Amino acid sequence: EAGVTQSPTHLIKTRGQQATLRCSPISGHTSVYWYQQALGLGLQFLLWYDEGEERNRGNFPPRFSGRQFPNYSSELNVNALELEDSALYLCASLGQGVADTQYFGPGTRLTVL
Amino acid sequence: AQSVTQPDIHITVSEGASLELRCNYSYGATPYLFWYVQSPGQGLQLLLKYFSGDTLVQGIKGFEAEFKRSQSSFNLRKPSVHWSDAAEYFCAVGVRTGGFKTIFGAGTRLFVKA
Repeated sequence: EAGVTQSPTHLIKTRGQQATLRCSPISGHTSVYWYQQALGLGLQFLLWYDEGEERNRGNFPPRFSGRQFPNYSSELNVNALELEDSALYLCASLGQGVADTQYFGPGTRLTVL
Repeated sequence: AQSVTQPDIHITVSEGASLELRCNYSYGATPYLFWYVQSPGQGLQLLLKYFSGDTLVQGIKGFEAEFKRSQSSFNLRKPSVHWSDAAEYFCAVGVRTGGFKTIFGAGTRLFVKA
């Protein structure tokens, strides 16, 4: 069974530009979560999508947005990039059943210059 | 409010020595509990999870964790550490409140010395 995949692996942008990050969940998983992991700040919850709808968002400005497609893959968009947006962005999909469990992708390293 | 505390920011152990990483949680009901490991620049890999039953849970890579309700703890252990275990370890609580949410601790970085 293929795991959660993310692309690209690395992304370099300049301040003010827009970044688009992509995530494909494990087959059969309908929920996708996005997290930001900046240096020294731990995992910060960004967004949660389920069945194509945004269900919840963390304490981030509106320039962080995204969507979920009919095949449950997801896209995270960051507009008007700032230097402090440099981080590892992690996507997780939720396996439900006896015990709900999040499974993580390898991440996208975003560097803003 | 739910929270997870990992009191040790970093720990150094010698290769072959035993390891215990501490985790305390705050949650009103019986939680789902997880340990994840993250190698530098990588995603999080699930080591083990607890949701009910036997309070001693076995995971991958020789790790185990014990749920102690009276202490609100879920400590991770390994009897003999290998150099490849050097990584960051995250304890997490899964809660269902209008949807599923995972709350992560701040992480403990493990250094292994030869």
